Amino acid sequence: EVQLVESGGGLVQPGGSLRLSCAASGFTFSSYDMHWVRQATGKGLEWVSAIGTAGDPYYPGSVKGRFTISRENAKNSLYLQMNSLRAGDTAVYYCARAYYDSSGYAFDIWGQGTMVTVSS
Amino acid sequence: AIQMTQSPSSLSASVGDRVTITCRASQGIRNDLGWYQQKPGKAPKLLIYAASSLQSGVPSRFSGSGSGTDFTLTISSLQPEDFATYYCLQDYNYPFTFGPGTKVDIK
Repeated sequence: EVQLVESGGGLVQPGGSLRLSCAASGFTFSSYDMHWVRQATGKGLEWVSAIGTAGDPYYPGSVKGRFTISRENAKNSLYLQMNSLRAGDTAVYYCARAYYDSSGYAFDIWGQGTMVTVSS
Repeated sequence: AIQMTQSPSSLSASVGDRVTITCRASQGIRNDLGWYQQKPGKAPKLLIYAASSLQSGVPSRFSGSGSGTDFTLTISSLQPEDFATYYCLQDYNYPFTFGPGTKVDIK
């Protein structure tokens, strides 16, 4: 079964750090771009970061310089290192696989999400 | 960054209704747009990619159209399981951006 399972969420103080993990199974992890998407309670989806198959990272301005995405293909794992956390980073964080074919690109597999709460 | 807007932000509809949701990009994005459905407490689910390609396993009552800046998601005959929030996502360039969502609830 193709599956993504996030872990590592929790309560952290403002200015603190947290590392999220996403364990992939059921597919050839190294062949896919991977993404993180977050959702604050009651709010919409926000794209957080991406990493290509070659390890090239991408970020929006809201997290650039504070978050670092990485992957370890030998362990079928995706990571998100989050530093200098703010209250505004409080959200459920999802990892997602990027599928692409001759037609286009999309997030076809999602994890169940892990909750990150930034509060004193 | 490309800005995505959606309309309406919410709508009330009945089972069997035809529902149309619109997504607009602040600049041309070819057909690099997907539609996602999300139910409360659940992860999003891919419905449509490349503006009009139906994801495997998604019912044919869902369809997408558009290119450039204007896109549409249509549900031809709303079913009880379709009450959810729908998001568009541009994957034309980084940073990817989602629309704010359209909540479809029961009239």
